Amino acid sequence: DAKTTQPPSMDCAEGRAANLPCNHSTISGNEYVYWYRQIHSQGPQYIIHGLKNNETNEMASLIITEDRKSSTLILPHATLRDTAVYYCIVRILFQGAQKLVFGQGTRLTINP
Amino acid sequence: GAVVSQHPSWVICKSGTSVKIECRSLDFQATTMFWYRQFPKQSLMLMATSNEGSKATYEQGVEKDKFLINHASLTLSTLTVTSAHPEDSSFYICSAVAGGSYPGELFFGEGSRLTVL
Repeated sequence: DAKTTQPPSMDCAEGRAANLPCNHSTISGNEYVYWYRQIHSQGPQYIIHGLKNNETNEMASLIITEDRKSSTLILPHATLRDTAVYYCIVRILFQGAQKLVFGQGTRLTINP
Repeated sequence: GAVVSQHPSWVICKSGTSVKIECRSLDFQATTMFWYRQFPKQSLMLMATSNEGSKATYEQGVEKDKFLINHASLTLSTLTVTSAHPEDSSFYICSAVAGGSYPGELFFGEGSRLTVL
């Protein structure tokens, strides 16, 4: 199973872009990169996912390097409500369904 | 988006009793559901994978006789913590993937907090 490495914590000023890095150097060709976040005492919330191309949605942008060994989640204009633990996950194939194995994530704190 | 509902959201029980937690997909059919547990300030730990109509597959180190999982329909999976003890106190989270959705989103419930006295 490919594993991911993230910094344990990051701070960002409100209104600025938050850039969260993730290393997944052992990712295989058919594995996707997923990002979720978890606000305290809630279930994880899906943010975005991608295979090799950069992706953007209403929440964030995902930049994946050409060799796919790392990626960056970008929250373009961080707000206080973006304070959460962010998980970068590589999706694993398992009997036709895909289980997600969570690492320790990055605790992002948005400061006023 | 799709909704996964867990019930109860929190429960307190006495040591030695059994507790059942339900996970429902409200607007889609989930052929596969996953159960996680999370201790304070820790990440989610996958416990088991539940496929509709078949036995659950447990992760290494998770006692299948302790944590009974039933996935009797395409919209409901249950986790029963049998003979609960204080060390079973945790945040239990389920997730569900819609049939045919690969590589679609995985939807998570809001979690159930279990406290065993």
